[in-house]
Amino acid sequence: QVQLVQSGAEVKKPGASVKVSCKASGYTFTSYGISWVRQAPGQGLEWMGWISAYNGNTNYAQKLQGRVTMTTDTSTSTAYMELRSLRSDDTAVYYCARVRVFNQVALWFDYWGQGTLVTVSS
Amino acid sequence: DIQMTQSPSSLSASVGDRVTITCRASQGISNYLAWFQQKPGKAPKSLIYAASSLQSGVPSKFSGSGSGTDFTLTISSLQPEDFATYYCQQYNSYPHTFGQGTKLEIK
Repeated sequence: QVQLVQSGAEVKKPGASVKVSCKASGYTFTSYGISWVRQAPGQGLEWMGWISAYNGNTNYAQKLQGRVTMTTDTSTSTAYMELRSLRSDDTAVYYCARVRVFNQVALWFDYWGQGTLVTVSS
Repeated sequence: DIQMTQSPSSLSASVGDRVTITCRASQGISNYLAWFQQKPGKAPKSLIYAASSLQSGVPSKFSGSGSGTDFTLTISSLQPEDFATYYCQQYNSYPHTFGQGTKLEIK
């Protein structure tokens, strides 16, 4: 069965970086993409971007450009999301989701990870 | 960016009711729309893609419709486990924006 298992909760100081992992199993990793979505406390869902596990192509939300990097390690079927220069408003639960891909364009999500709480506090 | 607006923002209903949630896109998105269900403290669950196609394992009590700018999610015969927050998302163009959510509560 398809599973996405994310790394554990993190507490970071403002200005630091965080790297969240998402280990996939139960399917051919390179046949799909991975999207990242975050949810601030009590707020809605925010699309952060996605990465093709086939060729590493990415597309990031404009507001995060320059601070976010998404990568994959196909040898371990793991996706990573690194966010730098953390601020208090980056405090959120970060989710990975498997995304269907067609002609290198991200389409819909089907499976989600369990989420990783990242707290940014001095 | 395409703005996604859901209505209502909250909704009270009773067990056994049929409810409809609306999602409107700020520009045409064909049928590139998905719906998700989220319960408190849990990851979202994918319900529908391509506006009306059910994800594997999702019961047929959930149905979606629409194309262009106006979409609906209908849930028939509400059960206690259906009370949650529902989100729409467009994937017609980047960024793949979400609606603000509709909280479905028990009356």
